[in-house]
Amino acid sequence: AQSVTQLDSQVPVFEEAPVELRCNYSSSVSVYLFWYVQYPNQGLQLLLKYLSGSTLVKGINGFEAEFNKSQTSFHLRKPSVHISDTAEYFCAVFPRGYNFNKFYFGSGTKLNVKP
Amino acid sequence: SQTIHQWPATLVQPVGSPLSLECTVEGTSNPNLYWYRQAAGRGLQLLFYSIGIDQISSEVPQNLSASRPQDRQFILSSKKLLLSDSGFYLCAWSTGADQPQHFGDGTRLSIL
Repeated sequence: AQSVTQLDSQVPVFEEAPVELRCNYSSSVSVYLFWYVQYPNQGLQLLLKYLSGSTLVKGINGFEAEFNKSQTSFHLRKPSVHISDTAEYFCAVFPRGYNFNKFYFGSGTKLNVKP
Repeated sequence: SQTIHQWPATLVQPVGSPLSLECTVEGTSNPNLYWYRQAAGRGLQLLFYSIGIDQISSEVPQNLSASRPQDRQFILSSKKLLLSDSGFYLCAWSTGADQPQHFGDGTRLSIL
């Protein structure tokens, strides 16, 4: 069985400060990993993905994430946030070896960037 | 390029009324299609997915149904809406096992 845990439901941070949004997963098979961002009243947009190779993945808007297999984590980071980064962020996993693209999403983390 | 259209953007319906939300994808063929619901303060709940025409799988038993009458059209329906059906409904598509899902802009459904 697969599950995704985003421990922090809300993360307040001041503008230009660094931020880390945590994601841990549980899976009986190896997985692909994704981070999505959702702005108010919009759909989800892909930030970045990890399929294989380097465990440090860079995405759009200056975000990056690091895959840690031993800790089953895929934390999202940004060294300096902007007001425009205020949004909800979702971690998702897809178990490899399945013949169908079924994602498992975390419950989301709301990032609130303050001036 | 591929695009996904979802409508309407917002909908206010009385309890007990029917529902039809439509989603279409352009620029790709035989996509996997998904309906999610996002309740206030909660994550995404997968409702239905489809790997082909008339091939629908339900994840959560409820008073909603889905249909895929054409390759790139996915419809979410209900005969009688409940108050608990309120939420933000998202349609998504993907092309393969290691490919991300692409989401529509969503429909905000309010039940009165």
